[in-house]
Amino acid sequence: KAGVTQTPRYLIKTRGQQVTLSCSPISGHRSVSWYQQTPGQGLQFLFEYFSETQRNKGNFPGRFSGRQFSNSRSEMNVSTLELGDSALYLCASSLAPRGYGNTIYFGEGSWLTVV
Amino acid sequence: QQQVKQSPQSLIVQKGGISIINCAYENTAFDYFPWYQQFPGKGPALLIAIRPDVSEKKEGRFTISFNKSAKQFSLHIMDSQPGDSATYFCAALPIKAAGNKLTFGGGTRVLVKP
Repeated sequence: KAGVTQTPRYLIKTRGQQVTLSCSPISGHRSVSWYQQTPGQGLQFLFEYFSETQRNKGNFPGRFSGRQFSNSRSEMNVSTLELGDSALYLCASSLAPRGYGNTIYFGEGSWLTVV
Repeated sequence: QQQVKQSPQSLIVQKGGISIINCAYENTAFDYFPWYQQFPGKGPALLIAIRPDVSEKKEGRFTISFNKSAKQFSLHIMDSQPGDSATYFCAALPIKAAGNKLTFGGGTRVLVKP
């Protein structure tokens, strides 16, 4: 069974550009969430989608957005990139948005460097 | 506001020793507490998780102890091995609320010396 797949794994963008990251959840998983990981701020929740609807949103500016498709695949977009957006962006998937047996699995992440 | 505080930030342990990582939370809505292990260049991987109605959970060499009244929980790695060298994150999740919004501690970098 394939894990959470994120593409691209590495990318370099210039300040002011925009970027789109993609996530394919584990087969059968319908909940997808995104996290930003930086050395200074650690792991921070960006947003979560279930059944193509945003269920939760973290404390990030509106430049960060996402969406989920009918096949549960998700994308996140960051517009007007800033140097501080350089981070590892992690996608996580689970069967459903709630429940104790609902293990949350992470992908290997997309490394974004903004220059 | 850091809702989950994790300590220490780093620790060095000899092979065969015990690694202990502590976490404290503030939000009483949290009621599911997973621990994740992350190797360099990889995403976090679930190690073990506990619910607040259980005071201890053991899986192999990994044990979670949970103190609901103190709002603290800890990870013990027994017989630490060099392959356990990684960064460990505690996390908390409000199961009864909508969604899978994990709140993470700051992480502990563990180095096991052979």
